[in-house]
Amino acid sequence: NAGVMQNPRHLVRRRGQEARLRCSPMKGHSHVYWYRQLPEEGLKFMVYLQKENIIDESGMPKERFSAEFPKEGPSILRIQQVVRGDSAAYFCASSPGGEKLFFGSGTQLSVL
Amino acid sequence: ILNVEQSPQSLHVQEGDSTNFTCSFPSSNFYALHWYRWETAKSPEALFVMTLNGDEKKKGRISATLNTKEGYSYLYIKGSQPEDSATYLCAFIQPSNSGYALNFGKGTSLLVTP
Repeated sequence: NAGVMQNPRHLVRRRGQEARLRCSPMKGHSHVYWYRQLPEEGLKFMVYLQKENIIDESGMPKERFSAEFPKEGPSILRIQQVVRGDSAAYFCASSPGGEKLFFGSGTQLSVL
Repeated sequence: ILNVEQSPQSLHVQEGDSTNFTCSFPSSNFYALHWYRWETAKSPEALFVMTLNGDEKKKGRISATLNTKEGYSYLYIKGSQPEDSATYLCAFIQPSNSGYALNFGKGTSLLVTP
């Protein structure tokens, strides 16, 4: 049973470009969480999704950021018109629901 | 977003020492508390999920207690080993109208030297 898969591991974008981060949860998991880790900071909650639904997006910036978890395929975290301050490690985690989270290896986003 | 406080921020002990650290969280409307271990260059891994006041969990040399009335949890490591070196994160769920998001503290960074 493969773990949580995130890709790419590293993503480099220039200011103004779009970044798309992908997360495939563990088999059988229908709950996906996205977190951001800034330098010297802990894991900051961004959004919590179940299949086709956003349950809690209280940690998501209001502009430029969006997330989806379609019926088929991975969860996508999309950042439009990236700025240098978006540079961070983005972690995805999944769970079967109401239990411990299983984390992916993260995507390191660097904005030039 | 609710504040989860962890202390100390970092800790350096000798092999064989026992140690403990604290996670503080809002005590109202408690739902669950998680502990994770995050080793360098790896992903966070779950240690414990705790839901009941007075709960005690144990996994090998690591154990945790929970006090939901006063809003704290302790993580204990008995006879620390170098392989215990990691950042230990606690995370808190407090249900709200927006759902059941899991909010993490900044962690306690533990270094165990031989």
